Amino acid sequence: QKEVEQNSGPLSVPEGAIASLNCTYSDRGSQSFFWYRQYSGKSPELIMSIYSNGDKEDGRFTAQLNKASQYVSLLIRDSQPSDSATYLCAVKGAGSYQLTFGKGTKLSVIP
Amino acid sequence: DVKVTQSSRYLVKRTGEKVFLECVQDMDHENMFWYRQDPGLGLRLIYFSYDVKMKEKGDIPEGYSVSREKKERFSLILESASTNQTSMYLCASRATHRQEAFFGQGTRLTVV
Repeated sequence: QKEVEQNSGPLSVPEGAIASLNCTYSDRGSQSFFWYRQYSGKSPELIMSIYSNGDKEDGRFTAQLNKASQYVSLLIRDSQPSDSATYLCAVKGAGSYQLTFGKGTKLSVIP
Repeated sequence: DVKVTQSSRYLVKRTGEKVFLECVQDMDHENMFWYRQDPGLGLRLIYFSYDVKMKEKGDIPEGYSVSREKKERFSLILESASTNQTSMYLCASRATHRQEAFFGQGTRLTVV
């Protein structure tokens, strides 16, 4: 059974701080990694994808991947109250059609 | 922009009813998925389809069936709704040559 693990939180950070969200996965053959943001009562929205080791930056968001450690993270710089949401980590294996999701980390940005 | 549209945002059905949840995507994606999301359990895959008329069971297919007669449309069917099927249902689609999946707005189904 392929597993994706995330701390459920809640993770509370003050406005303007860096929020760090972490995810580990069990399938060593996984090749594609995603972060989705989900506001309460809404559907998941794709915010970052990463496929190779290292960092990928997009605005205030940085995704980090370490395949040797089977670890992927999301950093949110200059956190804003509007970033308060649940962040879902998702992983896709080679040759697999579907994504496997973690249960999500709830982030609260305190003004 | 990818558009994945689910037919209902909120739905209330009675126990034993046959329920249809419809999902339509406008980006000619080959792959479509049905998930349910419950507090503390996360997103769980019910069924997926990788082509017209093709379907595969996910992690929790019991009590559900699906239909994909056209590429753009993927239907989830609850043959006889039960209260334990009260949940948020999410449809997603993905192009085979791309990795990202995109979600519809979700259907919150309540079975009473």
